[in-house]
Amino acid sequence: AQSVSQHNHHVILSEAASLELGCNYSYGGTVNLFWYVQYPGQHLQLLLKYFSGDPLVKGIKGFEAEFIKSKFSFNLRKPSVQWSDTAEYFCAVKGGQAGTALIFGKGTTLSVSS
Amino acid sequence: NAGVTQTPKFQVLKTGQSMTLQCAQDMNHNSMYWYRQDPGMGLRLIYYSASEGTTDKGEVPNGYNVSRLNKREFSLRLESAAPSQTSVYFCASSWGTDTQYFGPGTRLTVL
Repeated sequence: AQSVSQHNHHVILSEAASLELGCNYSYGGTVNLFWYVQYPGQHLQLLLKYFSGDPLVKGIKGFEAEFIKSKFSFNLRKPSVQWSDTAEYFCAVKGGQAGTALIFGKGTTLSVSS
Repeated sequence: NAGVTQTPKFQVLKTGQSMTLQCAQDMNHNSMYWYRQDPGMGLRLIYYSASEGTTDKGEVPNGYNVSRLNKREFSLRLESAAPSQTSVYFCASSWGTDTQYFGPGTRLTVL
């Protein structure tokens, strides 16, 4: 069965620290990969996505993620976090065929102190 | 362009009551989805509709029914609410396998 694993449940950082959130997936075929963010009290918003091409993708607010096919990973990074990055982050995977569902990881809560 | 809208925003039910959560999108997307979000569980797919006139079960369909009323609207019905259905419910839509856009959510409490 398809699954997504996010390694960190809760990450606590100080402002200006670097961030890397791990995401591994289990899926046999072509995949589309996503990172979503949920700020407190808000709905999910897309940070970035990978469908094909350059495995290093850049998203909004200075986030980037690297797709490493051999490791089935799609880790999220940001060189310098801000207090406003405090949120919950979800990695999600979708099969490349039409009609397949989006599978979410359990999420990582990021707390940034100023 | 409102994107994905959901009503109501909050709801409290007693065990055994029924209710329908409404979702509408104005992006001309063909696919729509219902998820529930529970602490430490991420989002889990309840039902989805790949196109108008079709619906399919997701990971956690028990206790729910859906109706794809037309291309814009996709409703989720709880026939007999149970405390285990206390959750935040999100509707989403997409064009095929492309990015899913989420609504603001409905926070449901079942007493």
